[in-house]
Amino acid sequence: KAGVTQTPRYLIKTRGQQVTLSCSPISGHRSVSWYQQTPGQGLQFLFEYFSETQRNKGNFPGRFSGRQFSNSRSEMNVSTLELGDSALYLCASSGGPLNTEAFFGQGTRLTVV
Amino acid sequence: AQTVTQSQPEMSVQEAETVTLSCTYDTSESDYYLFWYKQPPSRQMILVIRQEAYKQQNATENRFSVNFQKAAKSFSLKISDSQLGDAAMYFCAYRSVGVIQGAQKLVFGQGTRLTINP
Repeated sequence: KAGVTQTPRYLIKTRGQQVTLSCSPISGHRSVSWYQQTPGQGLQFLFEYFSETQRNKGNFPGRFSGRQFSNSRSEMNVSTLELGDSALYLCASSGGPLNTEAFFGQGTRLTVV
Repeated sequence: AQTVTQSQPEMSVQEAETVTLSCTYDTSESDYYLFWYKQPPSRQMILVIRQEAYKQQNATENRFSVNFQKAAKSFSLKISDSQLGDAAMYFCAYRSVGVIQGAQKLVFGQGTRLTINP
């Protein structure tokens, strides 16, 4: 069974640009969550999707958005990039709200210059 | 809101020895899940062990075991017979038990970097 796949693995963008990151969950998983990991703030929850619906959102500005497609694949978008958005973005999938274990992808390393 | 605290930014242990990583959390909920995740240099978060709060028995997975003290809101991880492959960042995480909102949201501690000395 393939794991959680995040693309791209690395990304360099310029301030003011926008970026889209992709996450393909484990086959059959319907829940996808996103996290931002930085040395200063650690791991912070961005948002969670289940069956194409956003179920929860972390404390991030509106520049951060996401969506989930009918095949459970998810994308997150960051508009008007700032230097502080440089981070490792991790995606996790699980079978659903009652499933306890979240499986993580290898992340997308975003660098904003 | 729930918080998770790992007070040891770095720990080191000799190969084959035992090490304990500390984690405390704060919550007003009575039922929840606690996890330890490992993040090696490859960056992929790997689940090490999980504990359901309603279970009094401490979880064990091979060389990994936890000491769950619900009243003290403490959840430490013990690694026995440490191996070089155990070197990684270890994160303690909390998850509410819920069906509707926030069911999959993990709240992480700041992490403990574990070094294994040969």
